[in-house]
Amino acid sequence: QKEVEQNSGPLSVPEGAIASLNCTYSDRGSQSFFWYRQYSGKSPELIMFIYSNGDKEDGRFTAQLNKASQYVSLLIRDSQPSDSATYLCAVNDAGGSNYKLTFGKGTLLTVNP
Amino acid sequence: DGGITQSPKYLFRKEGQNVTLSCEQNLNHDAMYWYRQDPGQGLRLIYYSQIVNDFQKGDIAEGYSVSREKKESFPLTVTSAQKNPTAFYLCASSIRQEMNTEAFFGQGTRLTVV
Repeated sequence: QKEVEQNSGPLSVPEGAIASLNCTYSDRGSQSFFWYRQYSGKSPELIMFIYSNGDKEDGRFTAQLNKASQYVSLLIRDSQPSDSATYLCAVNDAGGSNYKLTFGKGTLLTVNP
Repeated sequence: DGGITQSPKYLFRKEGQNVTLSCEQNLNHDAMYWYRQDPGQGLRLIYYSQIVNDFQKGDIAEGYSVSREKKESFPLTVTSAQKNPTAFYLCASSIRQEMNTEAFFGQGTRLTVV
């Protein structure tokens, strides 16, 4: 079974710092990668997606993809207490023609005021 | 407003009962998915559907059944064969089931066996 691995945390950073969240995946053929944020008791919401090697920036968030190393990361600059949540990495997994998202277990981030 | 609606928000099931979770979307999305989430765990795929009247098993389909009679609806039945059904159930949809399309989630149904 194809796997997506994340450090479960908790990752604790002070307010204003950079939070770095990491994800590795097992299927070298994976092409698209997603980061979701999930607050406790709520459903996941999409933060960013990335398809190409390199960096993609959106406001305080930067996604980084390295397909050779099968590694994708999310950087959160100027972390705020409202960023405290579980961050889920998801990989679009192609089983034949049936694409489906495979999720990691998530990393719990706590931003301390 | 377009979106994905799951109901009910909370559901209690007695041992041996079948229960059905509703998922409706008005986004005109082709693909729909059901995930299960246990405490401290990621999302595990139960079933997914690309088009009306067609669906495929995910990683943990045993004890569950689905139907896709209409594009906007993808109900999930948790049968008595599912021995540990207590979990948070999430329905999602995407425009189509292709490589570069993201999934959007409903608000979830929390199922508890009593």
